[in-house]
Amino acid sequence: EPEVTQTPSHQVTQMGQEVILRCVPISNHLYFYWYRQILGQKVEFLVSFYNNEISEKSEIFDDQFSVERPDGSNFTLKIRSTKLEDSAMYFCARSTGYYNEQFFGPGTRLTVL
Amino acid sequence: GESVGLHLPTLSVQEGDNSIINCAYSNSASDYFIWYKQESGKGPQFIIDIRSNMDKRQGQRVTVLLNKTVKHLSLQIAATQPGDSAVYFCAEWPASGAQKLVFGQGTRLTINP
Repeated sequence: EPEVTQTPSHQVTQMGQEVILRCVPISNHLYFYWYRQILGQKVEFLVSFYNNEISEKSEIFDDQFSVERPDGSNFTLKIRSTKLEDSAMYFCARSTGYYNEQFFGPGTRLTVL
Repeated sequence: GESVGLHLPTLSVQEGDNSIINCAYSNSASDYFIWYKQESGKGPQFIIDIRSNMDKRQGQRVTVLLNKTVKHLSLQIAATQPGDSAVYFCAEWPASGAQKLVFGQGTRLTINP
């Protein structure tokens, strides 16, 4: 399984603060995704990203969320003003093509106080 | 609609026995399914996938069965080992042109020595 790095592994922030979660993709992976998992619950889709554009986003992915590849390498998820309910594990996933298996990173645990 | 559910939240088996984890889906148009294994504190790990043009697919000690008539998916793990203890998720790729995976709730598999 291709390795993916996510940083930080754990982020603690105050409510209302901005956080940026990072994912380092593999060069031949063109499709990127962010998912989140609230403790003890299932994995939920947030957004998919291809060719530097959002392909699809869920209802969770509101105006407080954004994604980009600022330098063509790292894939970031930004939460502008965190809420308590944003506390969760955030997973980056990637695949080589549409409709192919998705490989997940180790995740970033976000704790909002 | 889009929903993937699991029949049992927990399953305990003796080491060396075979285990079967079940999953039901509701979207009859879905035609790609993936099983993931998630160990505590880690991201989902790809196990095996199956497309709707197949009824069965085998990997190393794992077999996935797909019954499209009743919209049911199962994961069979042969000769279970302590390392198989984890939460197992089935995930569905809706065939609506969606760019995402829809996950089920998960089944916690415990292997007893």
